[in-house]
Amino acid sequence: DAGVIQSPRHEVTEMGQEVTLRCKPISGHDYLFWYRQTMMRGLELLIYFNNNVPIDDSGMPEDRFSAKMPNASFSTLKIQPSEPRDSAVYFCASSFLRPGNSPLHFGNGTRLTVT
Amino acid sequence: GQQVMQIPQYQHVQEGEDFTTYCNSSTTLSNIQWYKQRPGGHPVFLIQLVKSGEVKKQKRLTFQFGEAKKNSSLHITATQTTDVGTYFCAENNDMRFGAGTRLTVKP
Repeated sequence: DAGVIQSPRHEVTEMGQEVTLRCKPISGHDYLFWYRQTMMRGLELLIYFNNNVPIDDSGMPEDRFSAKMPNASFSTLKIQPSEPRDSAVYFCASSFLRPGNSPLHFGNGTRLTVT
Repeated sequence: GQQVMQIPQYQHVQEGEDFTTYCNSSTTLSNIQWYKQRPGGHPVFLIQLVKSGEVKKQKRLTFQFGEAKKNSSLHITATQTTDVGTYFCAENNDMRFGAGTRLTVKP
């Protein structure tokens, strides 16, 4: 089991540029979550999918953020245009059952720095 | 969505001392999960509590779920330097996390 795979591990970009973060969930997991972690705001849920369909995107900060899950094995989180305040560690996680009924398995995260 | 409040935010202990973190919700939870994140790492699942008043143990860690299923606690007996990290609770409805308690242990 390779676990949840995220890429890239680190991303440094300039303000205004488009950023795309990628995630491959564990095979067979029907739920996929995107989180953002900062010192000030802690671990924030941005969006989660069930069977590739977005279920709750109320945590997405604003229209500059978008997430897609074109198939069961791949998801992207895109920020366009990026701003310095988007600097954070972004985690992807997947689970077998609905939220709370089985553990979340987290990827190693993408550390995003926007200058 | 509902949110869980976690206290304290930070805890610094001497190795060998005990440690407790608390998680409180304003609404009744179906279940609650606990995670540990080592510095520079990602959250790792520790345990899930489901039943009212449930108590579970993992070696030196003791997890409790309140009778009203509105609060939970994690207690570590005789902390070790390997216990360093941030401990999070997560509510079951949509997997929103508490703010976490950062534990540091002085050897």
